[in-house]
Amino acid sequence: DAGITQSPRYKITETGRQVTLMCHQTWSHSYMFWYRQDLGHGLRLIYYSAAADITDKGEVSDGYVVSRSKTENFPLTLESATRSQTSVYFCASSPTSVNYNEQFFGPGTRLTVL
Amino acid sequence: QKEVEQNSGPLSVPEGAIASLNCTYSDRGSQSFFWYRQYSGKSPELIMSIYSNGDKEDGRFTAQLNKASQYVSLLIRDSQPSDSATYLCAVGGDYKLSFGAGTTVTVRA
Repeated sequence: DAGITQSPRYKITETGRQVTLMCHQTWSHSYMFWYRQDLGHGLRLIYYSAAADITDKGEVSDGYVVSRSKTENFPLTLESATRSQTSVYFCASSPTSVNYNEQFFGPGTRLTVL
Repeated sequence: QKEVEQNSGPLSVPEGAIASLNCTYSDRGSQSFFWYRQYSGKSPELIMSIYSNGDKEDGRFTAQLNKASQYVSLLIRDSQPSDSATYLCAVGGDYKLSFGAGTTVTVRA
């Protein structure tokens, strides 16, 4: 019933630390996505995944790593956090249909890097 | 780089009026078009999807698509204060979507 969830909802960390943001969906959607949203830039794609063990870079992937060992989970890791990575991060998922590619978003994680 | 442009806003409309939101896109191969609503501090919520030319109505919302002009619009009829939000246009040609920067709508009582 939860749909798509993200954790933590809020995170404060320091420059240089590794941070992992979690995303979990219960719809069994094949596709999952990570976006960041910043004022003046809108939603920008970081990484996406077509299925378990299949991932690909989006437009702003530098400094981020993803994995997808299970269909339902798609964690995003900031290997060494920088202040420029302060943002709101949204995970989304989409059913497997090239003609019907609606994406459904999780509640977001607000990350602050000090 | 697929580009999606929205009218900059903010758009202020009186309660009960029609709010008209516009979006243009650069990739002629785009096949799917969406409108998301995002309340302040919340995540984007899908409100309309349209895949073929013409109009699609859902309650007080009407999406209009013109692929020849690379233009998609959203009309909100009988605007309510609860419609005050940022509206994001999204365009897709494969599994990925490109988003516009959004138009903020304020419905004044």
